[in-house]
Parts: sequence; C-alpha cells; structure tokens
Amino acid sequence: SQQGEEDPQALSIQEGENATMNCSYKTSINNLQWYRQNSGRGLVHLILIRSNEREKHSGRLRVTLDTSKKSSSLLITASRAADTASYFCATDGNDYKLSFGAGTTVTVRA
Amino acid sequence: DGGITQSPKYLFRKEGQNVTLSCEQNLNHDAMYWYRQDPGQGLRLIYYSQIVNDFQKGDIAEGYSVSREKKESFPLTVTSAQKNPTAFYLCASSIFTYSSYNSPLHFGNGTRLTVT
Repeated sequence: SQQGEEDPQALSIQEGENATMNCSYKTSINNLQWYRQNSGRGLVHLILIRSNEREKHSGRLRVTLDTSKKSSSLLITASRAADTASYFCATDGNDYKLSFGAGTTVTVRA
Repeated sequence: DGGITQSPKYLFRKEGQNVTLSCEQNLNHDAMYWYRQDPGQGLRLIYYSQIVNDFQKGDIAEGYSVSREKKESFPLTVTSAQKNPTAFYLCASSIFTYSSYNSPLHFGNGTRLTVT
C-alpha cells in the first residue's frame, strides 16, 4: 500500500502564527485524512477530504487537496499551545487500506 | 462516553514470551485495526477485522496473531517469533470497513510494549 509523506518533519512557531504542513502521495486516492497525535497518546481524526473536493474547513483548520500534484496541505490558523502535537496524513490506495506518513511534529512556543 | 480502551498502558516482557494486548470498543463499530508505531515512522498496519470471526493480515503481520470472537474485542498477541516487538501499539475502529468512502478511524491511547 502507498504511503503519504509529510513535509516538513518538524515545525516550530510562535503562538498566534499560522502553521502549514504538506502531504505528498504517489498513486491516485479516494480520500485523504488528517490526524493529530499528542505525545504518548492515540491519534485523533481531524478532517477527511474526498478526491473530488479541493478544500475543507473545520474551525481553525483548512485542508486543501490537489490531485493533479498528488498533494495536500493542512493549515492551522492562529496557533495555540494546545496545537503542539504530531500531525499525520493518511491516504488510501486501490485496496482502500489507509497508509500513514511519518508525520510533522509541530511545536507552538508561548 | 463511547470509545476504545487499550490495556495495559505499559507492558514489559522478557524475550521469548508471548504477550497479549487488549483492545475493547463500545462504539458499535464493525471494523477494527491494529497498528504499530516506531519512532520517526508512520503507523504500519498489522491486522484488521471487518466482521466478527474474520480478520485479514496487514503489511507486517509476521510474528503477530489476533482473534475477533466478539464485535467489541480485538486482542493482539505478540509472539516470540516477532523479531523486534518493542514498539507503541495502537488499536482503532471505524464504522465502515475499507471502501471508497473510508470512514474516520477512532484510536485508543495505545500500549507501549518493551521486550528485553
């Protein structure tokens, strides 16, 4: 199964700034999902975007999907200390199984 | 509140011993999954089950076994055949099984297994 790759591996920002991370994948998908993981905890689902959608919003989160470039981005606006976590994209392939990337670790400084 | 419970949170075992990790959900989800997470790597799928009494191997099933006798429970046994068992193990569930309309996964808080 294919695997998405997040970029950058790590990101450090000041509270109140925006954080942007990207996910690239290799083969066509049906949908792409973003998850958050706080240290030592399980993953929490953030947003699911389908292949026929280009943009979705959820609170301070904005996800875009460009299937022609096989890439997605996650934007967190007006970041808070509580946004400190690792963020993962998950993509499905022809077998519909979800594959996770290695994640982007975001640190929000007070 | 509905959710997924994994126990124990930390588990220590000697090399050569089998160990079973517990996963229980009360979300009434049909599908359940086991993932392994190693530092700096993404999650890798070990086994998944779409329905009671049925399960399929994931990408790294060697050295692991599962059972699905009840809808709520999907225990994972790490056998002595698993070469590098020390890892963080995550159990998840979802409403739908793998399909073109993948539903979000709900995760437990994991079990950290250390084998020495």
